[in-house]
Amino acid sequence: GENVEQHPSTLSVQEGDSAVIKCTYSDSASNYFPWYKQELGKRPQLIIDIRSNVGEKKDQRIAVTLNKTAKHFSLHITETQPEDSAVYFCAATSWHATFGTGTRLQVTL
Amino acid sequence: EAGVAQSPRYKIIEKRQSVAFWCNPISGHATLYWYQQILGQGPKLLIQFQNNGVVDDSQLPKDRFSAERLKGVDSTLKIQPAKLEDSAVYLCASSPPGQGLYGYTFGSGTRLTVV
Repeated sequence: GENVEQHPSTLSVQEGDSAVIKCTYSDSASNYFPWYKQELGKRPQLIIDIRSNVGEKKDQRIAVTLNKTAKHFSLHITETQPEDSAVYFCAATSWHATFGTGTRLQVTL
Repeated sequence: EAGVAQSPRYKIIEKRQSVAFWCNPISGHATLYWYQQILGQGPKLLIQFQNNGVVDDSQLPKDRFSAERLKGVDSTLKIQPAKLEDSAVYLCASSPPGQGLYGYTFGSGTRLTVV
């Protein structure tokens, strides 16, 4: 089955700095890669996604990149704000999503 | 549009007892998933339904867990008997039909504590 690794497990940045979270996957059949944000005690919420026929996608301060050959994809958050503090999960999807282990992002003032 | 509804929000039971969770997906979403999220970990798929048929239940501990989706709409997940390691948040999610090419909408989850 699919295996998704996510790094780092924790990330602390100062407000205004950029944050990068990286994931690798194992199943070449995966063709859809969503990212979810989960605040403490709340449900995961989809923040951005990318399909396998696209190398990069941007939505305001967040962007995702995908390298299908290397089987890795990344989330980039620019100009971080305190409200970006949360746990972020990547996922690789063929028939269903296999989630990474999560990255706890803390944005400090 | 209405979101994914789940109940109950919280449940505390003793080990060896049974428990059931309910989920109603977004109207028109043919695909329904049950995920288990243990504290500090990513969600792990338990079972995936397409309409009222099971697509994948390979990670469902079938000796104690069961799930059904009668009439292809709402779904129930049952644990009988519960073990301490079943303590987790049980998340229901739904997505439009399309072989996993859409992001999920998650319900608020049921936080299960087994004591």
